[in-house]
Amino acid sequence: DAGVTQSPTHLIKTRGQQVTLRCSPKSGHDTVSWYQQALGQGPQFIFQYYEEEERQRGNFPDRFSGHQFPNYSSELNVNALLLGDSALYLCASSYGSGANVLTFGAGSRLTVL
Amino acid sequence: QQQVKQSPQSLIVQKGGISIINCAYENTAFDYFPWYQQFPGKGPALLIAIRPDVSEKKEGRFTISFNKSAKQFSLHIMDSQPGDSATYFCAASRGGGSARQLTFGSGTQLTVLP
Repeated sequence: DAGVTQSPTHLIKTRGQQVTLRCSPKSGHDTVSWYQQALGQGPQFIFQYYEEEERQRGNFPDRFSGHQFPNYSSELNVNALLLGDSALYLCASSYGSGANVLTFGAGSRLTVL
Repeated sequence: QQQVKQSPQSLIVQKGGISIINCAYENTAFDYFPWYQQFPGKGPALLIAIRPDVSEKKEGRFTISFNKSAKQFSLHIMDSQPGDSATYFCAASRGGGSARQLTFGSGTQLTVLP
């Protein structure tokens, strides 16, 4: 049973560019949440997608956007990249938007130069 | 009010010793308090969790102690092993019909010496 899979695992971008990160939830899960984890810090909630809609959003600017597809997979898009966007981006899946138990993927490590 | 404060930042323990990590929260609406374990290059993995109507929960060598009046909770790792060396995060979330989001502490890097 595959867990949460994320791609790419690592990527390097330059300031001002745009990036798209992808996530496939664990089998049986229908909700995807995205978190940003800066080096040496705890993950911070970006947003959650359920039934192809953004259900809740953390304190992140509109440069961060997302999408959920009918098969429950999700994308995170970040526009106009800043140096401070360098982080590990974690995808977590669950069954239902109010579920307590989240399963995290290994993350996508983004470096902005 | 959304903050979860975690201490210590790093912890070194001898094999067989007890590791203790503490967290404090402010928002009394939080109703679920998990602990996550993260190894280098991996995502966080749920270790153990507790609800505020329980003062203690034990799973194997891992125990959560919860003090609702003080708004504090802690993770105790008994008989610590080198394989427990990882970063530990406390977290909190609230329900109430809205989508759940986890608020994480800043993490504790645990090193268990052989």
